[in-house]
Amino acid sequence: GAGVSQSPSNKVTEKGKDVELRCDPISGHTALYWYRQSLGQGLEFLIYFQGNSAPDKSGLPSDRFSAERTGGSVSTLTIQRTQQEDSAVYLCASSLDPGSYYEQYFGPGTRLTVT
Amino acid sequence: SQQGEEDPQALSIQEGENATMNCSYKTSINNLQWYRQNSGRGLVHLILIRSNEREKHSGRLRVTLDTSKKSSSLLITASRAADTASYFCATDRNNAGNMLTFGGGTRLMVKP
Repeated sequence: GAGVSQSPSNKVTEKGKDVELRCDPISGHTALYWYRQSLGQGLEFLIYFQGNSAPDKSGLPSDRFSAERTGGSVSTLTIQRTQQEDSAVYLCASSLDPGSYYEQYFGPGTRLTVT
Repeated sequence: SQQGEEDPQALSIQEGENATMNCSYKTSINNLQWYRQNSGRGLVHLILIRSNEREKHSGRLRVTLDTSKKSSSLLITASRAADTASYFCATDRNNAGNMLTFGGGTRLMVKP
């Protein structure tokens, strides 16, 4: 079946602009995760959704970052007033259940470049 | 700092040789997973080992877990050029939902 999809695949934006990244999880997966991968920081967790709620927002780096999930499916990650240090690949993953023993399936990522 | 740390950071071997990558972590875990990444994009899940398991096999992959030493190893046998990628371990900490904490990764190059 279809895997996790993300759009856009690449985004170049000017410093100070807002960007919105989209994630379509695998159908039926209740848990959805956002991660960020950058050269200096490796892979870091941002936020996790169980259904439409986000019990863990601990990884969001600042209040410029927000995310929502509607209908237990699509999620959007919004970065306001982008900064150059926001440049990274943003990866989305979903799993069947938020329980510990379910593997996470990753999307291809969105490469964000802030100029 | 990252929960998991891979060792070595980079590994270069000839096709047909075995590749061993190690991962250490700091806190108690529910499970440990290994992922592969090509060209800095999507991660592919390779294998998951639970905290009560010691060894697991999947095709040419063998993973071990030593919870007393808080370490894991990934062995790829009879490597192929197509195995060239970055390999990451990821841990799911107790009482932290299913948030994965990744190590810095091992860049494996398999020369034909």
